[in-house]
Amino acid sequence: AQKITQTQPGMFVQEKEAVTLDCTYDTSDQSYGLFWYKQPSSGEMIFLIYQGSYDEQNATEGRYSLNFQKARKSANLVISASQLGDSAMYFCAMTSFQGAQKLVFGQGTRLTINP
Amino acid sequence: KAGVTQTPRYLIKTRGQQVTLSCSPISGHRSVSWYQQTPGQGLQFLFEYFSETQRNKGNFPGRFSGRQFSNSRSEMNVSTLELGDSALYLCASSLNEANEQFFGPGTRLTVL
Repeated sequence: AQKITQTQPGMFVQEKEAVTLDCTYDTSDQSYGLFWYKQPSSGEMIFLIYQGSYDEQNATEGRYSLNFQKARKSANLVISASQLGDSAMYFCAMTSFQGAQKLVFGQGTRLTINP
Repeated sequence: KAGVTQTPRYLIKTRGQQVTLSCSPISGHRSVSWYQQTPGQGLQFLFEYFSETQRNKGNFPGRFSGRQFSNSRSEMNVSTLELGDSALYLCASSLNEANEQFFGPGTRLTVL
């Protein structure tokens, strides 16, 4: 079974600072994908970044980067130069590529950016 | 390209009734997944459809069912509603199992 653990229920960061959101995962699968999603108060889940288990380089998408440490089974999200609009819930998720598409989510981290 | 759409956005039902939620995936996406989000249980996988076939089902009672049509649109049905079914129901689509899932805005169901 797959499991995602996000140990930070809430984080408060000053605007323009960098922030790291922690995510550890557990799986026995060799081939899997890791995702980060942002959920504003409106409820919609917004895809941020993806990392495949066989990708050797850390994924980056604009201000978002994923610090992938396979041996430690961690997939932390780094947001550089945080903005007020980054305030939201952030979910780490994973899926196995063996079988049907199914995302397993962590409990989420509520990020608040202070001006 | 239009995103994932879900209808209705909000729904209020009473216990014992049934409800049908609809999801239209991004054009060209053949995989549609459904998730339930509640404050207590978080985000939980309901089921996934690919080319009209249910490939995977989460740990939910048989009151929860779904289907996918030939145009990839999907519906989920909940019969004999219970108070605990109150949740945000999210639909997501992807090209195939190796691609990221894109979510719709969700349907917020309230059961009274």
